[in-house]
Amino acid sequence: DTGVSQDPRHKITKRGQNVTFRCDPISEHNRLYWYRQTLGQGPEFLTYFQNEAQLEKSRLLSDRFSAERPKGSFSTLEIQRTEQGDSAMYLCASSLKDRSYNEQFFGPGTRLTVL
Amino acid sequence: AQSVTQPDIHITVSEGASLELRCNYSYGATPYLFWYVQSPGQGLQLLLKYFSGDTLVQGIKGFEAEFKRSQSSFNLRKPSVHWSDAAEYFCVLTGGGNKLTFGTGTQLKVEL
Repeated sequence: DTGVSQDPRHKITKRGQNVTFRCDPISEHNRLYWYRQTLGQGPEFLTYFQNEAQLEKSRLLSDRFSAERPKGSFSTLEIQRTEQGDSAMYLCASSLKDRSYNEQFFGPGTRLTVL
Repeated sequence: AQSVTQPDIHITVSEGASLELRCNYSYGATPYLFWYVQSPGQGLQLLLKYFSGDTLVQGIKGFEAEFKRSQSSFNLRKPSVHWSDAAEYFCVLTGGGNKLTFGTGTQLKVEL
């Protein structure tokens, strides 16, 4: 299967710990997006990359959050000093920029629980 | 600012009955509109999309949606619901940029 993959699928951590999630996009896709989905809500945009450049960040992305895409392929999202409010599903999506709009394909998500 | 409103949080229909999920949007120009479906343990799947042209768009799994500019609406319909359609449905908007704006979702339950 060549869809978007995310690892881990579930993460339970204690408040104050750091966590890192990984996203592997569809291989030829040059854009990669991170979204966060809390219970009962739709996903909210966090940030996106075109190749290795991070081109936009939401105000939701506090200083404790950092995302990288060092070689323009996979991406990592790190949360430092986790708080209970960080508990959510973190979704990754990828797309290929070749037209005015490009469909975003989503991965299964990483569910984070902060105790 | 762009926004999407899905007024129905939960909807229950009987299998075989017709379905309509409501969506209203706010955007200063003609948006790109989508419906995604999310099933437990699965990723978001695109059902259909509207960019321009014909205001009635067909999607996968027998779904269709109609864009009505005068009402700022993009309602999703299906003539006959199957039990496997039970899931959460999101109406989504983008202005052609890179950020998708999701509604809060409508949880569909199908009674057998």
